[in-house]
Amino acid sequence: GAVVSQHPSRVICKSGTSVKIECRSLDFQATTMFWYRQFPKQSLMLMATSNEGSKATYEQGVEKDKFLINHASLTLSTLTVTSAHPEDSSFYICSASLREGADTQYFGPGTRLTVL
Amino acid sequence: GDSVTQMEGPVTLSEEAFLTINCTYTATGYPSLFWYVQYPGEGLQLLLKATKADDKGSNKGFEATYRKETTSFHLEKGSVQVSDSAVYFCALSQEGGKLIFGQGTELSVKP
Repeated sequence: GAVVSQHPSRVICKSGTSVKIECRSLDFQATTMFWYRQFPKQSLMLMATSNEGSKATYEQGVEKDKFLINHASLTLSTLTVTSAHPEDSSFYICSASLREGADTQYFGPGTRLTVL
Repeated sequence: GDSVTQMEGPVTLSEEAFLTINCTYTATGYPSLFWYVQYPGEGLQLLLKATKADDKGSNKGFEATYRKETTSFHLEKGSVQVSDSAVYFCALSQEGGKLIFGQGTELSVKP
């Protein structure tokens, strides 16, 4: 149980285009979803926290106009990287928790974004 | 602010060797502590957790004890296998469920 999927697993795009990444909780309803960014050989950095039906809360230093997060249902959150540039190339990982404030998160397999 | 520090990798061991991966934390309040594992090409999986001081989390032969006096949560396993090769992340949870991760420790187990 508690499976989280991400789509696509890998995407390559040209500079200036926008890319949407989906995160789905497959067998549970996720009140809260989190988006992380992971650089090679480094840790996960939290980008934002989203609760279903409300605006995402972004971490300091994360541009909310560049990384658009939508959490329209209890099983789906999307991250859109707008006007992507090569420096946005990274591994993006989502996670979901069963309820707000719960301390256990279930992680998706990640999406590798490469911006040319 | 809250932070987690792990021993640097990579750690290379022979099969059946004893494993310790050190993790220390800095936090206000009383966070829950976690170990996550990331196998090659896969997402993070929760390995074990402890929610209060002196709790011991255990799973798949791995153990870690929440030591408030030393602010540590070291991961141990008595006999590692090749299949344990992965990256291990120590983490703490903040209010609201946010996780703060350590930098990760890569473990490579040779047959």
